[in-house]
Amino acid sequence: GAGVSQSPSNKVTEKGKDVELRCDPISGHTALYWYRQRLGQGLEFLIYFQGNSAPDKSGLPSDRFSAERTGESVSTLTIQRTQQEDSAVYLCASSPRPRDTQYFGPGTRLTVL
Amino acid sequence: AQSVTQPDIHITVSEGASLELRCNYSYGATPYLFWYVQSPGQGLQLLLKYFSGDTLVQGIKGFEAEFKRSQSSFNLRKPSVHWSDAAEYFCAGVILTGGGNKLTFGTGTQLKVEL
Repeated sequence: GAGVSQSPSNKVTEKGKDVELRCDPISGHTALYWYRQRLGQGLEFLIYFQGNSAPDKSGLPSDRFSAERTGESVSTLTIQRTQQEDSAVYLCASSPRPRDTQYFGPGTRLTVL
Repeated sequence: AQSVTQPDIHITVSEGASLELRCNYSYGATPYLFWYVQSPGQGLQLLLKYFSGDTLVQGIKGFEAEFKRSQSSFNLRKPSVHWSDAAEYFCAGVILTGGGNKLTFGTGTQLKVEL
C-alpha cells in the first residue's frame, strides 16, 4: 500500500464500552508499533510487534488494553471498559525491519464521553 | 531515565525568517535521533534522522539538524520558513535494542508562521 492506514479516523464512545482500532501497515513491513498521543503531550509507546515473535507489551497502561497482529499484516488495538482518560489519538507505525525508520499512519482520534 | 525535551511549546516566526527548534536528550548512550512533523489531521512525517557519522543532517523540505554531543542537543533549523511549514514538530530518540526501537518523543513544538 501507499502508506500506513488506520480506521476509524474518529471514534466517539461511552465510558465503559469496548473499542477496537485497526492498523494496516505498509506491505512488507515486519515491525509494527502502537503509540498514544494525549492532548498537549508527546507520543507514548504502547506495544511493538515483530514477525512471529512475542510482542513487546511494556508500554500498555493497563490490562484493559490489548493488541493483536496477524502475521505481518493488520493489527488491532482493543480497549476494554473505556475510561475518559483513554481519550487520545492512537497512532500506528510500521518499519521495514526492527532497526529502521518508522512510518506513521494518520491516527484514530478516540473520545470517551 | 531516557527522555527527550522540547523546551518551546509554541514558536511564531514570520515567513522568510530563519527557524530553530530546540531538542535536548538524556540517554545513557548516544541515541538515534529523529525529527517528525505533524500537520493537522495528518500522520507524522519524518523530516530527518541522525544515526551516526556527520553531525549535520539534511532532511526534506529544506530542514537540517545538528547533533551536538557536548550540549546533548539535536536542534532543527531552516534558513527561510514558508507558510506551509506551520505544523507541530516532534523530536524523538531511541537507544536501539535487540528487539526493536521504541521511540521516546518530546512534547512537541507548535510552529505558527505569520505572513
